[in-house]
Amino acid sequence: EDKVVQSPLSLVVHEGDTVTLNCSYEVTNFRSLLWYKQEKKAPTFLFMLTSSGIEKKSGRLSSILDKKELSSILNITATQTGDSAIYLCAVDGGTSYGKLTFGQGTILTVHP
Amino acid sequence: DAGVIQSPRHEVTEMGQEVTLRCKPISGHDYLFWYRQTMMRGLELLIYFNNNVPIDDSGMPEDRFSAKMPNASFSTLKIQPSEPRDSAVYFCASSLSGGKETQYFGPGTRLLVL
Repeated sequence: EDKVVQSPLSLVVHEGDTVTLNCSYEVTNFRSLLWYKQEKKAPTFLFMLTSSGIEKKSGRLSSILDKKELSSILNITATQTGDSAIYLCAVDGGTSYGKLTFGQGTILTVHP
Repeated sequence: DAGVIQSPRHEVTEMGQEVTLRCKPISGHDYLFWYRQTMMRGLELLIYFNNNVPIDDSGMPEDRFSAKMPNASFSTLKIQPSEPRDSAVYFCASSLSGGKETQYFGPGTRLLVL
């Protein structure tokens, strides 16, 4: 069974801090790893990492894929209160093409 | 583009009643996914369709759950009879070309079964 594990499960920081969220996976046939941000509503897409694109950056957020270690990290620098959300990691890697397996998420709380 | 549309946004019903959730995917997307999210279990895939055909329904919890996609622009998820443990947020998502593109999520339906 495909498995995605995120750590930590929750994190509380102050504005300006840098945070690193972790995601590890065990899947049958890795195709891509995705990061989503979920505030009060639906998850919204952040990054997709594949074998041909192992590092992505957008503003204060960046993500790296380590295929050897079967893991990924999501970094957020100079955190703001608006970064408070659940961060979900998902992997497309099962026998069914396009099927995502999600981790349980990391709840990030940024205090002013 | 209007994005993925789901209805109703909130549903409160009594145990034993039938519940029908609806989804309209993004136009042109050929994959449609139904997820359930709870605090205990996180986000779980229930079933997904490709070109209106169910591909993988291994996540459907039991026979009380059924899903259909009669055409490319509409899908339903039905629970009959509903039970309190079905209370959750149900998301519909769609994507283009399966794993090659990311999935776009609808706003979700918050279901409460009393």
